[in-house]
Amino acid sequence: GAGVSQSPSNKVTEKGKDVELRCDPISGHTALYWYRQSLGQGLEFLIYFQGNSAPDKSGLPSDRFSAERTGGSVSTLTIQRTQQEDSAVYLCASSPGGGRLETQYFGPGTRLLVL
Amino acid sequence: AQKITQTQPGMFVQEKEAVTLDCTYDTSDPSYGLFWYKQPSSGEMIFLIYQGSYDQQNATEGRYSLNFQKARKSANLVISASQLGDSAMYFCAMREGGNYGQNFVFGPGTRLSVLP
Repeated sequence: GAGVSQSPSNKVTEKGKDVELRCDPISGHTALYWYRQSLGQGLEFLIYFQGNSAPDKSGLPSDRFSAERTGGSVSTLTIQRTQQEDSAVYLCASSPGGGRLETQYFGPGTRLLVL
Repeated sequence: AQKITQTQPGMFVQEKEAVTLDCTYDTSDPSYGLFWYKQPSSGEMIFLIYQGSYDQQNATEGRYSLNFQKARKSANLVISASQLGDSAMYFCAMREGGNYGQNFVFGPGTRLSVLP
């Protein structure tokens, strides 16, 4: 079956521009996560969606970052007025129900480079 | 405070030998899950193995096994009979079970290089 997909796979943008990153979770998965991974670093949690509940935004680094999840499926992570330090791989993951001991399945990531 | 510690930034192992990747964790929640992920150079995160805090036996998945020592709060990954394709970054992660909505916490990772 189809796994988590993300688009674009690579994005190069100029400092100050806005970017949108898309995530399609595994069909039927109600939980969706966004992470950021800087070069050679571990994963930094950004935001978590579970069903119709209010998202956990505790990991968003600034108000330039926002995310939406429409219809409980596709999610879009938006970075406004991008900065060079936003350059990283943005990973999306989903899990079936958000249950506390479920594993999560990752997409291939979007590599963002801000010039 | 670091919730997940991986003290080995890099490890080398000879092909066909076994290797242990260390992971210690910190939680006061009695219910939690521990996970290991592999990230090859392609960048995708691949789930390897899971251990629940109440599981009586150590988890095993093929060549992967988890040496779970609850009292010491360690969850080391053991890879037996290493293969060249095992060369990758390995991340230990934890999810605490208190409430729905708890996010995963990842360790900094260990880079494993398998030598021919």
